[in-house]
Order: sequence, then structure tokens, then C-alpha cells
Amino acid sequence: SQTIHQWPATLVQPVGSPLSLECTVEGTSNPNLYWYRQAAGRGLQLLFYSVGIGQISSEVPQNLSASRPQDRQFILSSKKLLLSDSGFYLCAWSVDRTGNEKLFFGSGTQLSVL
Amino acid sequence: DAKTTQPTSMDCAEGRAANLPCNHSTISGNEYVYWYRQIHSQGPQYIIHGLKNNETNEMASLIITEDRKSSTLILPHATLRDTAVYYCIFPSGGSQGNLIFGKGTKLSVKP
Repeated sequence: SQTIHQWPATLVQPVGSPLSLECTVEGTSNPNLYWYRQAAGRGLQLLFYSVGIGQISSEVPQNLSASRPQDRQFILSSKKLLLSDSGFYLCAWSVDRTGNEKLFFGSGTQLSVL
Repeated sequence: DAKTTQPTSMDCAEGRAANLPCNHSTISGNEYVYWYRQIHSQGPQYIIHGLKNNETNEMASLIITEDRKSSTLILPHATLRDTAVYYCIFPSGGSQGNLIFGKGTKLSVKP
């Protein structure tokens, strides 16, 4: 069966520090991978998605970047965190290629930038 | 921006049916409607999806209007554990992976 791992669960970082959140998927190959952010009391905002190794699409301009060094690994990074980067970050995967997506989400990372 | 409209919040008595509406007037003919829910501090969980016909699974039923401009998620016997934010979404046409989640409906199941 397929599983998705996302870590860490919580993270407290000072402003200006770097960030690296990692997500891995098991039990499937060539998945679509996604990073979402959810600010307190708000809906999910799609940040990045990837349909293959090295292929990253960015949905919003921001202080963050994403990379996909391996088929089932998706990394969210920042060189210098801002206060506004605080939020709940979610990784997700899907395998549908028709444009109709059924997503499976990780458990999320609560990031607090102080 | 989210392409769906949902009420901000709803209450439901435990054991009763919860009916959550969603308007999606801009949906295209080949786009599925998906429903997810998110329990506090957890990742969203897939519930059900449909295209034209009504759908039912072990979690819920989905009723889609004939013109496909709106749908209703039905939890037939709500429990306290169904308290969550429920999202109605559909993929943005022509952009694979572009799933826009709005603020959803906060469903509170009360004893």
C-alpha cells in the first residue's frame, strides 16, 4: 500500500534562517507531488507541484522553492525565512494523469517563524 | 481563488444527517467534484468524488445537480468524530495539479 511521510511534525525557526522540509512517498512510482500551505484560519494554498523528477511548477511567487531530486522525494526549501512563512505545510501525492486528481496528504508540518 | 462557494460553518446534531452544500457554477463538463475533510492539525482526508451521477461510499453520499453547478455531501449519521472542515473542490481545467482549496465549511457535530 502507498504511504506518505512528511517531517518534521513541528518546527520553530528564527527569521532569516534556512528551511528544508522533506516528503517521501512509498508504494507507488512517478507520482504527482504537491506542497500546500495553510495559514491559521484559512484554506489550503497550492505552492508547488511536480509531475516528474526535476519538474517543478510554482503557483505563487514567494520566498520558497521546491525540488524533486528523486522520483518519490519532494523538498520544500527557503534560504531565509520570513515571519509570513509561518503556517501549516502539507505534502500530497496523486497518480491520476487525466487532470482529475485524488490527493493523498501527509500529516503536515507546523512551522513557526519567530 | 477558490472556484467553489461553501457556507462558512454548519452545526449538526449527533446521529442526524449532515448535508453540506457547495456551488461550483464554473465547473467544466469533464471535471470531477471532489470532497475532502480536515480534522484540526491533520492533513486533509479524501471523502468522495463524482462527475454526473450520485455517488455513495462507506463515508458519505454525493448528490450532484443535473446542471452540475452544485452538489451536496451527505453524512447520513453524523458522529462527533465527523467534526471537521469540509472542502469541495475541482481541478482547474487545463492545469494538472492545480487544485484550489477554499476555506471550506466548518461542520460542528454536537451531542
